[in-house]
Amino acid sequence: AQTVTQSQPEMSVQEAETVTLSCTYDTSENNYYLFWYKQPPSRQMILVIRQEAYKQQNATENRFSVNFQKAAKSFSLKISDSQLGDTAMYFCAFCGGKLIFGQGTELSVKP
Amino acid sequence: DGGITQSPKYLFRKEGQNVTLSCEQNLNHDAMYWYRQDPGQGLRLIYYSQIVNDFQKGDIAEGYSVSREKKESFPLTVTSAQKNPTAFYLCASSYGSGTYEQYFGPGTRLTVT
Repeated sequence: AQTVTQSQPEMSVQEAETVTLSCTYDTSENNYYLFWYKQPPSRQMILVIRQEAYKQQNATENRFSVNFQKAAKSFSLKISDSQLGDTAMYFCAFCGGKLIFGQGTELSVKP
Repeated sequence: DGGITQSPKYLFRKEGQNVTLSCEQNLNHDAMYWYRQDPGQGLRLIYYSQIVNDFQKGDIAEGYSVSREKKESFPLTVTSAQKNPTAFYLCASSYGSGTYEQYFGPGTRLTVT
């Protein structure tokens, strides 16, 4: 069975600094997608970034980028120039047919 | 504007009553999903539907029921058989099932006392 593990329940970062959230997953599949979702205090789940497993190039979306290491089954999210609005719960998710979520990392951006 | 709506945002029920949560989307997505989120936890899949008039159980379907009579709508009924119904419920949709990213509604907070 596929599993997703986020080993950092809570993290904090100073405004304008860079922070990296960790995620590892376990699967025997070769074709799959990985996602990071953000859940701010409003509790709306927002897609931050996606990565196709067949692509070697790491995905980027403005200040958000990933470090995808397929062999190590690692998919970390880097947030550059952190902003107060980045304060949220971040979920890593694996999709090989069904979307499976990690437990989440609560990120606080401090002024 | 295209999107997913869930109503109501907050719902209160007495124990023993069935309650139906609404989910509507105008994104022309084929697949729709229901998740449950408990405090400090990730999302768990309750039911999903890949096409109208068809749906499958997810990981925690016991005590829940769904219908998919229209492409745009995927209501979830929380029955009295659900032992711990108090939770935050999220509906999502995607173009297809499988590896497509899912888009989420704003959620419904259900409290049963």
